Amino acid sequence: GENVEQHPSTLSVQEGDSAVIKCTYSDSASNYFPWYKQELGKRPQLIIDIRSNVGEKKDQRIAVTLNKTAKHFSLHITETQPEDSAVYFCAAITTGSARQLTFGSGTQLTVLP
Amino acid sequence: DAGVIQSPRHEVTEMGQEVTLRCKPISGHDYLFWYRQTMMRGLELLIYFNNNVPIDDSGMPEDRFSAKMPNASFSTLKIQPSEPRDSAVYFCASSVQGPDNSPLHFGNGTRLTVT
Repeated sequence: GENVEQHPSTLSVQEGDSAVIKCTYSDSASNYFPWYKQELGKRPQLIIDIRSNVGEKKDQRIAVTLNKTAKHFSLHITETQPEDSAVYFCAAITTGSARQLTFGSGTQLTVLP
Repeated sequence: DAGVIQSPRHEVTEMGQEVTLRCKPISGHDYLFWYRQTMMRGLELLIYFNNNVPIDDSGMPEDRFSAKMPNASFSTLKIQPSEPRDSAVYFCASSVQGPDNSPLHFGNGTRLTVT
């Protein structure tokens, strides 16, 4: 099955700086890669996703890049703000008869004021 | 749209007791997922349904766990008998289409503590 590894597990940045979270996946046939944000005590919520037919996608301060050859994708947050503090999960879709999302282990991002 | 509704929000029970978690997906969503979240193992998919039919239950830990979806608006996850290692936050999620075509909408979760 799919194996998704996520790094780093914790990340602290100063407000206004950029944050980068990286994930690798094992299934070369995976074609969908969403990112979820989970604030403390809340539910995970989708913030951005990318499909394998594009290499980069942006939404305001958030961007995701995908390198299919190397089987890795990254989340970039620019001009970080305190409200960006949360746990971020990457995910990849497994292929096969029962397609399902496999999540990375999460990154605790702390934006220091 | 009230979102995915889970109950109860918190459940504290003693080892050996039966626990039933409930979920109401968003109306019109054909897929329903049960996830378990722990510090050690992160977010794990337990089982998911498409049009009320279980598609993949390979994530269900063992026979003590069972899930049903009797209709499009209701699902249950049952643990019998419960054990301390079952303590976790259990999330239900739903989506319009499959997990590679539409985002998962998570409920607020049920925090289960088994003593």
